[in-house]
Amino acid sequence: SQKIEQNSEALNIQEGKTATLTCNYTNYSPAYLQWYRQDPGRGPVFLLLIRENEKEKRKERLKVTFDTTLKQSLFHITASQPADSATYLCALDSPGGSYIPTFGRGTSLIVHP
Amino acid sequence: DTEVTQTPKHLVMGMTNKKSLKCEQHMGHRAMYWYKQKAKKPPELMFVYSYEKLSINESVPSRFSPECPNSSLLNLHLHALQPEDSALYLCASSQESSGGLSSYNEQFFGPGTRLTVL
Repeated sequence: SQKIEQNSEALNIQEGKTATLTCNYTNYSPAYLQWYRQDPGRGPVFLLLIRENEKEKRKERLKVTFDTTLKQSLFHITASQPADSATYLCALDSPGGSYIPTFGRGTSLIVHP
Repeated sequence: DTEVTQTPKHLVMGMTNKKSLKCEQHMGHRAMYWYKQKAKKPPELMFVYSYEKLSINESVPSRFSPECPNSSLLNLHLHALQPEDSALYLCASSQESSGGLSSYNEQFFGPGTRLTVL
């Protein structure tokens, strides 16, 4: 069955460093992959979308890569700040092409001042 | 207005109560969703409405009853819930649910309703 894997352990980094979060998937051939940010007790907020034919997408301090051979996406935050501390979810379109995203469990990022 | 609003923010109910969660958006989105999220878990899709018609029901128990009165409003009626139904209930909307040419379903989420069933 299809599976989305994100590191369940929190990622702790120092302010100013680059945070790199990983999303792996199996038994999927997604047309796109999305990244969302979720703060405690709040709904997810959309950050970036990358399509299957794109290798990399950037938005301000954010960069997403998509390797369909490795079945992996990397999400980078450069010059990280304590305000970037949150849980980051990746989402892939559901099997069968409904285009409704299925979410991974997310990875918690903690940026220390 | 790029906001999805949800009321109430918090709800505590007994197992015999009947209550409703409400969601509203004024972005002209034609797809609206209900998700359930437990702590440290991903949002789980419950229902999808597309053009005010229920298009997906992910085998949700009948004690949850969705309603879409118009293109801007989505309700979730709750009746005879169990303590294990306690969770954050998230409403979301998107341009459409069938993945048009460019949207690929970027979802706009509301802040959620924290539900506790006693």
